[in-house]
Amino acid sequence: EDQVTQSPEALRLQEGESSSLNCSYTVSGLRGLFWYRQDPGKGPEFLFTLYSAGEEKEKERLKATLTKKESFLHITAPKPEDSATYLCAVQPLMNSGGYQKVTFGTGTKLQVIP
Amino acid sequence: ETGVTQTPRHLVMGMTNKKSLKCEQHLGHNAMYWYKQSAKKPLELMFVYNFKEQTENNSVPSRFSPECPNSSHLFLHLHTLQPEDSALYLCASSQDGGGGYGYTFGSGTRLTVV
Repeated sequence: EDQVTQSPEALRLQEGESSSLNCSYTVSGLRGLFWYRQDPGKGPEFLFTLYSAGEEKEKERLKATLTKKESFLHITAPKPEDSATYLCAVQPLMNSGGYQKVTFGTGTKLQVIP
Repeated sequence: ETGVTQTPRHLVMGMTNKKSLKCEQHLGHNAMYWYKQSAKKPLELMFVYNFKEQTENNSVPSRFSPECPNSSHLFLHLHTLQPEDSALYLCASSQDGGGGYGYTFGSGTRLTVV
């Protein structure tokens, strides 16, 4: 069974204080690993897809990296508007139902203080 | 404004009521999903429709009944719910059946069962 574990559960940073969020996963062959951002009262917003170990993607102050066992979301010099819950999800290469299920983690709630 | 629209945003219903949640997307996506999001838990896949055909029913109780009349609209019909069904219900769509390019989520319906 595919599993996704995110840590820490919550993270409080001062504005400008860089840090990383972790997503550890087990999957029977990885098709893709996804990062989403979710603001309170809204649905998750797609950020990145990573497909293979060593791959990196960047968007503004966010950079996602991938190894064979985990992914990191690095936040450089965060601003208060980066405060949100960040979700990680994995998609396996195949499944028998003809539909490729995505398994989500429980998320890391990030708070950036001015 | 997200490309996926959900109504209503908030719903309070008694255990004997019947109500429906509506989801609409005009992104040209072929797959649509219902997810349940509860506090401290990962997003839980409920139903998947690919080209209007239901391809996944993730052991959801029969008090939840989905309907997909066309590839742009998705409904979730609710009846005789339980208090533990209170949660955020999210609709999502994707271009391919496997969500390999990420999902587009709606803002969700916050459901409270009293």
